[in-house]
Amino acid sequence: DGGITQSPKYLFRKEGQNVTLSCEQNLNHDAMYWYRQDPGQGLRLIYYSQIVNDFQKGDIAEGYSVSREKKESFPLTVTSAQKNPTAFYLCASYPGGRTGELFFGEGSRLTVL
Amino acid sequence: GENVEQHPSTLSVQEGDSAVIKCTYSDSASNYFPWYKQELGKRPQLIIDIRSNVGEKKDQRIAVTLNKTAKHFSLHITETQPEDSAVYFCGGGGDYKLSFGAGTTVTVRA
Repeated sequence: DGGITQSPKYLFRKEGQNVTLSCEQNLNHDAMYWYRQDPGQGLRLIYYSQIVNDFQKGDIAEGYSVSREKKESFPLTVTSAQKNPTAFYLCASYPGGRTGELFFGEGSRLTVL
Repeated sequence: GENVEQHPSTLSVQEGDSAVIKCTYSDSASNYFPWYKQELGKRPQLIIDIRSNVGEKKDQRIAVTLNKTAKHFSLHITETQPEDSAVYFCGGGGDYKLSFGAGTTVTVRA
């Protein structure tokens, strides 16, 4: 699936460990996003970045951190401070403008053991 | 921030019938309302969107209506087919920040 790549697809971690999810896009989109998906709760915004070296907290940023050093990359770190990290994580990118579409990656499923 | 609510959470329809999903939003500044379809194990994909200067938009069997005064918008699927079975999400917000509803699981019965 071209355009936006998330890795790994499945990840297991022990409690107390930090883990970083990768998101890379080759669509030349300015903006990138991280959403968390839980059953019955839809897509909740964790962090987003409109341009390189800038990012903003979304609705559920506590226990997560991000960086945006390159336009193509927007990694998400799930820290040990996140109380309930087991979830499906979706990265997305957006070109901006009135005709742009939020384009999602395939997702990463994190399970904390 | 924006709060998007979506109803119903599940919807079962007979093949060939219509399906309607409704969403409300809270921020009157929101101007972009997309609908995404997510099939099992796959990423969400955009099926239709509407901007706040348009009241209705149609694409084959799918249509979306927007009522800015009441702050609600709806997705209409006509002549439903088995491949329409999926989870549908409505979104609302500005050009760079989107909030989503909790999703509607649509099942089309053959």
